[in-house]
Amino acid sequence: NAGVTQTPKFQVLKTGQSMTLQCAQDMNHEYMSWYRQDPGMGLRLIHYSVGAGITDQGEVPNGYNVSRSTTEDFPLRLLSAAPSQTSVYFCASSYADLSYNEQFFGPGTRLTVL
Amino acid sequence: AQSVTQLDSQVPVFEEAPVELRCNYSSSVSVYLFWYVQYPNQGLQLLLKYLSGSTLVKGINGFEAEFNKSQTSFHLRKPSVHISDTAEYFCAVSSISNFGNEKLTFGTGTRLTIIP
Repeated sequence: NAGVTQTPKFQVLKTGQSMTLQCAQDMNHEYMSWYRQDPGMGLRLIHYSVGAGITDQGEVPNGYNVSRSTTEDFPLRLLSAAPSQTSVYFCASSYADLSYNEQFFGPGTRLTVL
Repeated sequence: AQSVTQLDSQVPVFEEAPVELRCNYSSSVSVYLFWYVQYPNQGLQLLLKYLSGSTLVKGINGFEAEFNKSQTSFHLRKPSVHISDTAEYFCAVSSISNFGNEKLTFGTGTRLTIIP
């Protein structure tokens, strides 16, 4: 049982480049989400999904796209990277009804945009 | 809308001393409350949560938290800290709703540093 896995661990992009951050979970969780963590700002929700084929925007969705074709995978796409997207990105998953269920977090992807 | 305030961004504590990390929340409906811990260069993991019942909740690694509805607080405590408790601690809140769009709102975090 690998839990929540994220790749890559580190990435450096140039402004305007695109890339996809990968996230996978093997716990059969319905709910998956992406957060970004910035100093002094805690974790902010980017996008989330309550099941395959269903996604919705979080607090800071601009510049990011997601899709959920399977229960296991929830990739995050940066369409045209900007320096403001330099951050640490965490993927998380939980059973349905996030309100009381524990979220399981991946180890994070540290992204730098030059 | 819901929000979480962690007033202390950094808390230095001597080893074996007690510690309290403060968390206050705001919500127009009933809430569930969580504390997550992030060790250096790792993801977050759940320390403890309050759903209902006893207002004193015990978690892993000797931590506990007390839910105070009148003061809208959920402070985290440990009677004697260890070097291994050095980490960042996040308080989080979710509102109980019937709409199926539950979200978890995190505070800005408190960095706990243990001084040998």
